[in-house]
Amino acid sequence: EVQLVESGGGLVQPGGSLRLSCAASGFTFSSYAMSWVRQAPGKGLEWVSAISGSGGSTYYADSVKGRFTISRDNSKNTLYLQMNSLRAEDTAVYYCAKDHGGSVVVAQADYWGQGTLVTVSS
Amino acid sequence: QSALTQPASVSGSPGQSITISCTGTSSDVGGYNYVSWYQQHPGKAPKLMIYDVSNRPSGVSNRFSGSKSGNTASLTISGLQAEDEADYYCSSYTSSSKGVFGTGTKVTVL
Repeated sequence: EVQLVESGGGLVQPGGSLRLSCAASGFTFSSYAMSWVRQAPGKGLEWVSAISGSGGSTYYADSVKGRFTISRDNSKNTLYLQMNSLRAEDTAVYYCAKDHGGSVVVAQADYWGQGTLVTVSS
Repeated sequence: QSALTQPASVSGSPGQSITISCTGTSSDVGGYNYVSWYQQHPGKAPKLMIYDVSNRPSGVSNRFSGSKSGNTASLTISGLQAEDEADYYCSSYTSSSKGVFGTGTKVTVL
């Protein structure tokens, strides 16, 4: 059974940093691209970032480029999102998701974690 | 990358069919067959309902079907049931190797 468990969310002040983790199990982690998707309170889904199965290719939404860094440790079956220079508008539930298309990013998520809430506020 | 355009709400009576549209551009929906649809109930994570425009994952009811014409994709729910009441989002791969979601549609079963 595929399982994705996010952690690392919480309250942070504007300008601060946070690192999210996503522990994966139930599939060959290194064979699949992974993504982060967020959802602000009461709002729709927003694609944030994706990484290929090898970790060699990364992609970012314009809204987070230069501030967020996606990475993965295939030996630990774990996906990360390092978030720096956080803003109030980054407040959202952050979901980790497994890409359906194999090791290459095709932005179709077949499994999702339960999400972790990030609140940016003073 | 601008969000794909979906109607804010669609409603139907039990047993009826409804269709949700998702309009993008030739740089996303029209350019690739990597269009997917997600169902989200309140407080829950999204669930994949359709991938590659028209394919259903194992376990998803065959009452859900997808299609695409030009820059517009569509999700049809036939034989509408109370449990189908939820938010629905489309998504597409883009020419910049990123993803983009639709604005979301709230489906109400009357």
